[in-house]
Amino acid sequence: RKEVEQDPGPFNVPEGATVAFNCTYSNSASQSFFWYRQDCRKEPKLLMSVYSSGNEDGRFTAQLNRASQYISLLIRDSKLSDSATYLCVVNRAGRRALTFGSGTRLQVQP
Amino acid sequence: EAEVAQSPRYKITEKSQAVAFWCDPISGHATLYWYRQILGQGPELLVQFQDESVVDDSQLPKDRFSAERLKGVDSTLKIQPAELGDSAMYLCASRVAGDTDTQYFGPGTRLTVL
Repeated sequence: RKEVEQDPGPFNVPEGATVAFNCTYSNSASQSFFWYRQDCRKEPKLLMSVYSSGNEDGRFTAQLNRASQYISLLIRDSKLSDSATYLCVVNRAGRRALTFGSGTRLQVQP
Repeated sequence: EAEVAQSPRYKITEKSQAVAFWCDPISGHATLYWYRQILGQGPELLVQFQDESVVDDSQLPKDRFSAERLKGVDSTLKIQPAELGDSAMYLCASRVAGDTDTQYFGPGTRLTVL
């Protein structure tokens, strides 16, 4: 079983739609959680950290459920520019290192 | 805005040849990581440095891969000999010292082994 599991997609949605991604992680000792965005053939870039209380950044909302060990990302009012792969990331407990999921691909269509 | 630098951006080589990649982290970032990302997968950690010391190289195929960060600043990752299965994106990332796990990535080196 992978440490971080994501639905690979692709999620094909029209502009303006709301879309949600989930991921699950296996290490209950993980303390830090992130969503990174990766455009085709580019490097991953930090989208947002995920906090226990949930957090929002514009059209993006992240939630963490420690009891169920899953993380979610909600994108409202999807834009064409949101088309990318979204990587769910957790830290390796006890070490300053990150474990990445395989990513969920989003394609926003006009 | 400070960035992680990597070179070359692209490298094509034949199997059994040696290749080397270079990374210069954001100034002041003590922790440096090398990742390998195969198409369709997430980045996988190869090696982690704290200053000039290796913290974790458990996933580094040491029979053919080596990494160094001699002065605790820039770093080199070497593959010798390259194999077909090494074709991937090699990403370098750095993390500022302190209580944060946020990492910043360089643009990567895309390696193709023929």
